[in-house]
Amino acid sequence: EPEVTQTPSHQVTQMGQEVILRCVPISNHLYFYWYRQILGQKVEFLVSFYNNEISEKSEIFDDQFSVERPDGSNFTLKIRSTKLEDSAMYFCASSRTLRELFFGEGSRLTVL
Amino acid sequence: DAKTTQPPSMDCAEGRAANLPCNHSTISGNEYVYWYRQIHSQGPQYIIHGLKNNETNEMASLIITEDRKSSTLILPHATLRDTAVYYCIVRAYSGAGSYQLTFGKGTKLSVIP
Repeated sequence: EPEVTQTPSHQVTQMGQEVILRCVPISNHLYFYWYRQILGQKVEFLVSFYNNEISEKSEIFDDQFSVERPDGSNFTLKIRSTKLEDSAMYFCASSRTLRELFFGEGSRLTVL
Repeated sequence: DAKTTQPPSMDCAEGRAANLPCNHSTISGNEYVYWYRQIHSQGPQYIIHGLKNNETNEMASLIITEDRKSSTLILPHATLRDTAVYYCIVRAYSGAGSYQLTFGKGTKLSVIP
């Protein structure tokens, strides 16, 4: 069964460093998303991406964040200068239609 | 999007049906009811969705009341692997190519051996 894959599974970084989280969505999907979940809290929407551009973003997704689909398969989330409060599990998701989303297993980011 | 209310936790005996309720009294006519679950710290997993008719798939059944103000997710024969947090989400399709899901706290279902 096709699945969304994310790398790395866990990344530890120092505050102020740049981080890139990578995702390979399901191959025939058209819509791509990033969500995050701070430990013990709700899953929060960050951004959606369609037709090579951001279609919607939340207040969390400020200028420190960016997304890119550099080729036909990868979808990346970049955090330019990490803060302690960026520590969270980051989930990539994709969908073929505007219906069910398929989520990856997540990338745990720890900022020290 | 309409707000949903779910009990914070429920227990279910293994092999029995798990019935998870959700209230969405402010749901509007174009909003669908979606159910997702999250097992431990894994990514959320889509279960089922519906508009007004009852729906069934290989994972679960969704029963939506006639006035659409509440719904019930039914796992017909719960197993230990169904222990998870279950999220009820109501959402209209956005024509702008986005699909933001708003997750609440959900119901933590514990399946007991």
